[in-house]
Amino acid sequence: QSVLTQPPSVSAAPGQKVTISCSGSSSNIGNNYVSWYQQLPGTAPKLLIYDNNKRPSGIPDRFSGSKSGTSATLGITGLQTGDEADYYCGTWDSSLSAEVFGGGTKLTVL
Amino acid sequence: EVQLVESGGGLVKPGGSLRLSCAASGFTFSSYSMNWVRQAPGKGLEWVSSISSSSSYIYYADSVKGRFTISRDNAKNSLYLQMNSLRAEDTAVYYCARWRSSSYFDPWGQGTLVTVSS
Repeated sequence: QSVLTQPPSVSAAPGQKVTISCSGSSSNIGNNYVSWYQQLPGTAPKLLIYDNNKRPSGIPDRFSGSKSGTSATLGITGLQTGDEADYYCGTWDSSLSAEVFGGGTKLTVL
Repeated sequence: EVQLVESGGGLVKPGGSLRLSCAASGFTFSSYSMNWVRQAPGKGLEWVSSISSSSSYIYYADSVKGRFTISRDNAKNSLYLQMNSLRAEDTAVYYCARWRSSSYFDPWGQGTLVTVSS
C-alpha cells in the first residue's frame, strides 16, 4: 500500500484533457515539494514536473502540476496517443525520512 | 549529455548477494546526492536508498534496512548497491537516479533487472 494515493487508471479521448490526483498527508505533500514522472511502456521513468508545478526543459506546456494542502494534481491537455503511460507522483516524507511514491496511474487515450 | 548506466543485475538464489553499479557521466557526480529506486514486475516505484554527495547522509527504506548498503566512489563517478540476504520480494528492476535538493529524481538510468529465485 502506497503512502501517496493515486487513481489506478484514467482515460480520455485524443485532444481532451485529463487530471490525475495524488493524495497524501501533512508529513509528505503538505510540507514538501511534489514531483511527477511519466513511464512509457518498457522504459525508465522520466521527470515531468518538479517543485509542484515546474517543467524541465523539453517537457511541453500541455503538462502542468499544482498542489493544494495535502493533495497534488497533474494535468495533461491536448491528449495524444503517445501520452499513454503510467504516471507517478513523488515527494519526501519527513516522518518516514524516506522518498515516497504514489501507486501509479495508467493513462489510456481512447 | 547527463547519463546514468546501471549494471550488475542477474539471477541469484534466495539468501544470496549481488552488487549493483551505476556509472555516471555528463555532470559533476560529486556534487549530487544519488538514489536507488526499484520496480517489481508489474508494480509501482519503490524508493530503496539515498546517499548524499559526500556520503555523510545515508537513508534506507525499511524493507531493505540491514540487508542493503549504498555507497559511492566520487573519483570513479560511480554509485553502488550491495544487496545481501536477498529475498524473492527483492525481484525488481533497479534504477539509479540523481536526486535534486527539492526532492525529485532526474535523470534515471535505464535500469538493471535483479531476479531472486531458486
